[in-house]
This record gives sequence, structure tokens and C-alpha cells, in this order.
Amino acid sequence: DIQMTQSPSTLSASVGDRVTITCRASESISSWLAWYQQKPGKAPKLLIYEASSLQSGVPSRFSGSGSGTEFTLTISSLQPDDFATYYCQQYNSYPWTFGQGTKVEIK
Amino acid sequence: QVQLVQSGAEVKKPGASVKVSCKASGYTFTSYYMHWVRQAPGQGLEWMGVIIPSGGSTTYAQKFQGRVTMTRDTSTSTVYMELSSLRSEDTAVYYCTRQTIPTGGLGYWGQGTLVTVSS
Repeated sequence: DIQMTQSPSTLSASVGDRVTITCRASESISSWLAWYQQKPGKAPKLLIYEASSLQSGVPSRFSGSGSGTEFTLTISSLQPDDFATYYCQQYNSYPWTFGQGTKVEIK
Repeated sequence: QVQLVQSGAEVKKPGASVKVSCKASGYTFTSYYMHWVRQAPGQGLEWMGVIIPSGGSTTYAQKFQGRVTMTRDTSTSTVYMELSSLRSEDTAVYYCTRQTIPTGGLGYWGQGTLVTVSS
């Protein structure tokens, strides 16, 4: 199975901050990576697919980059609605696997 | 619009089985694979497996092999996920979910079904 490792596990930040979350795959997954945002009691929301493509309707302050084994999700200017948990997920091969999550908290 | 509507919450005893349904609408049911993802309380997301609605073939995560069965009914555009030999660690919210496009991420999600396993 491909292991997905996110860092950090928790991130404290303020409104307006630039935030970067990293995701590493245990082997190459090309660009078959997605990022999700999840709030308590809700289903995950797709933000980015194919590593860098912005899902329709998602604000442009979210961006993704990377390929192979190293990926990043960047929020250019953190907004109050962005405090949530973020997950990366590879869909290069079965079984699909998720990172353990990064909780973005208010500083 | 695409909708995935799941069955309601369940409470089961250890050793029992549970069958969760997911009714799809707003698109051609047989055109997109359907995945199941679960989330235990306070934990992360875990992919369980996938079913191809057109032919019914499945791929399961090894962790669930032998305990999970995914099926579909094309006449009602419904997929089912049955998990047997339940244990307390199976207490979780179970989601059906679909990719937005064949090369995209999981952009459509059911509302989730809470399965509680307790004696």
C-alpha cells in the first residue's frame, strides 16, 4: 500500500497568514493526488485534484503543487472559514490512501 | 444535480452485520465507480473499497477482505455496503462517494451513515 504522510499534524495560524501543508507519498503517484477540507460533522469537501487543479467553486486562495512523491497545499491568505482539517489522498493505485490529516487551528 | 442519499444510522451488537445503502441520482448511475470511505470518531479517513456499477466488479482494501461486500442494484441506482463480524472498532461514519470526473478526486459524498457497534 502507498503510505501518505502529512505534516504538520496541527498548525496554529492567524487570519491572513499564508499556510502550507505538505504531503509525502511512499512511492511515486505521478499527479494523482487530491486535497480535501473537512469540518466537524460534515463530509469532506474536494479542494484540489490532479495535484494542482482547483475544483470548481473553490476559492482561488487555495492552490496545490507537486508531483511524484512530494506535494503541498497552500492557502495564500487564511480566512475564518478555513479553520478545519485537511487531508491529502492518492488515487494512483488501489487501495486508495489518505494522509492522517492536518488540523488548522486559530492562533 | 448529483445526489447520494444514504440510509439511516444503525446500532449493532458485536458479531452482527450491517448493510448501508446509497441511492444515486442526477447522473448516469453506471458511468461512475462508487467508493466507500469510513471515519471512526475523532479519526481520519479510511478507504474501504470500490464497486463498478456497470458490471458489479469490486476491489476491497485488504483490511476488509472477507468481511465487506459491495453490491449494486441498477434498477434503483443504489449501491450497498455490507460489513460483517462487526466489532467495536467498526464504530464509524460510513460514506459513499464518487469522483467528479474520471480523473478527479472524490467530489460527491453521501451524508454519511453512523454505525455504532456496542453490546
